[in-house]
Amino acid sequence: DTGVSQDPRHKITKRGQNVTFRCDPISEHNRLYWYRQTLGQGPEFLTYFQNEAQLEKSRLLSDRFSAERPKGSFSTLEIQRTEQGDSAMYLCASSLPGVGEAFFGQGTRLTVV
Amino acid sequence: DQQVKQNSPSLSVQEGRISILNCDYTNSMFDYFLWYKKYPAEGPTFLISISSIKDKNEDGRFTVFLNKSAKHLSLHIVPSQPGDSAVYFCAASASGTASKLTFGTGTRLQVTL
Repeated sequence: DTGVSQDPRHKITKRGQNVTFRCDPISEHNRLYWYRQTLGQGPEFLTYFQNEAQLEKSRLLSDRFSAERPKGSFSTLEIQRTEQGDSAMYLCASSLPGVGEAFFGQGTRLTVV
Repeated sequence: DQQVKQNSPSLSVQEGRISILNCDYTNSMFDYFLWYKKYPAEGPTFLISISSIKDKNEDGRFTVFLNKSAKHLSLHIVPSQPGDSAVYFCAASASGTASKLTFGTGTRLQVTL
């Protein structure tokens, strides 16, 4: 399967712990996006990369969040000192530049207890 | 500020009939619109898109209509099938591409036998 892959699928963590999620985009896609989805809402944009450059960050991405894409391939999203409000589905997507559609992974569901 | 609105949280349609899902937007800078379908515990799956230079785009059973003056778009599914039962999200972009999509809150479609 050559779709967008996210790991882990589920993560339960205690408040105050750090967590890291990984996203592997479709191999020829040089754009990679992170979104967050909470219950009853649509996905909300967090940040996106073109190759290894982080081109835009949402104001939703507080100081506790950091995303990297060191070699322009996979990306990681780290949340430090997790809070209960961070509980959500974190979605990764990828696309080619200049193309309309982004393809999403299955997401990582984070539960902070 | 909800820039993309899906005012119907749910819709029930009989198999074989037409499903019409509606979406309104407020940001006049949006120039590219997409529909995604989402099953539980999966990421959104791209369905169909339309550029603001068009008023209709068709792909098999799916047709998207765009009324720019009314800032309104709709997704028509004909004929509806039980496998179409899912949550449908409308999304919009201001760059003509997939970068930084703004999503609506979704409409849950149930296709009954």
